[in-house]
Amino acid sequence: KAGVTQTPRYLIKTRGQQVTLSCSPISGHRSVSWYQQTPGQGLQFLFEYFSETQRNKGNFPGRFSGRQFSNSRSEMNVSTLELGDSALYLCASSPGLGGGGTEAFFGQGTRLTVV
Amino acid sequence: GENVEQHPSTLSVQEGDSAVIKCTYSDSASNYFPWYKQELGKRPQLIIDIRSNVGEKKDQRIAVTLNKTAKHFSLHITETQPEDSAVYFCAASNDYKLSFGAGTTVTVRA
Repeated sequence: KAGVTQTPRYLIKTRGQQVTLSCSPISGHRSVSWYQQTPGQGLQFLFEYFSETQRNKGNFPGRFSGRQFSNSRSEMNVSTLELGDSALYLCASSPGLGGGGTEAFFGQGTRLTVV
Repeated sequence: GENVEQHPSTLSVQEGDSAVIKCTYSDSASNYFPWYKQELGKRPQLIIDIRSNVGEKKDQRIAVTLNKTAKHFSLHITETQPEDSAVYFCAASNDYKLSFGAGTTVTVRA
């Protein structure tokens, strides 16, 4: 069973640009959550998508957006990049909303560097 | 919404000693409590979980306890080894949202 796949693994962008990250969940999983992780920081929740609808949202500005497709793959977009957006972005997939009382599986993450 | 607090933020233990990480949650509807371990440069991975109808669960050197009345749960690692050095995250789920604690960086000294 394939795990959670995030692409690309590494990105370098210039301040002011926009970026799109992709997450392919485990087959059969309908929930995809996104997290931002900076050095020494925990997992800052961005949003969760379930059945193509955003169900939960964290406290991030509107520059951070996402979507989910009918095959459960999800994309996250950050517009007008700032230096402070440099971080590891992790996605996690699970069968149900909010984990559904089961294990959430994380991808390896996309390391975004804004210069 | 759910608020999960985790303590301590850092923990240094001598190899062979025990380590304890404590978490509290606010939503009484939370019914699933997983613990994740993130080694340096790797993704977080589930190491143990507990449901609200269970008070304690063990898996070799790790154990988790849950006190629903006090709304707190703890991770216990016995006979710590160098490979236990990592960041540990507790989490609580109420079926529609999974909330994580801020993490505990555990360092096992040889």
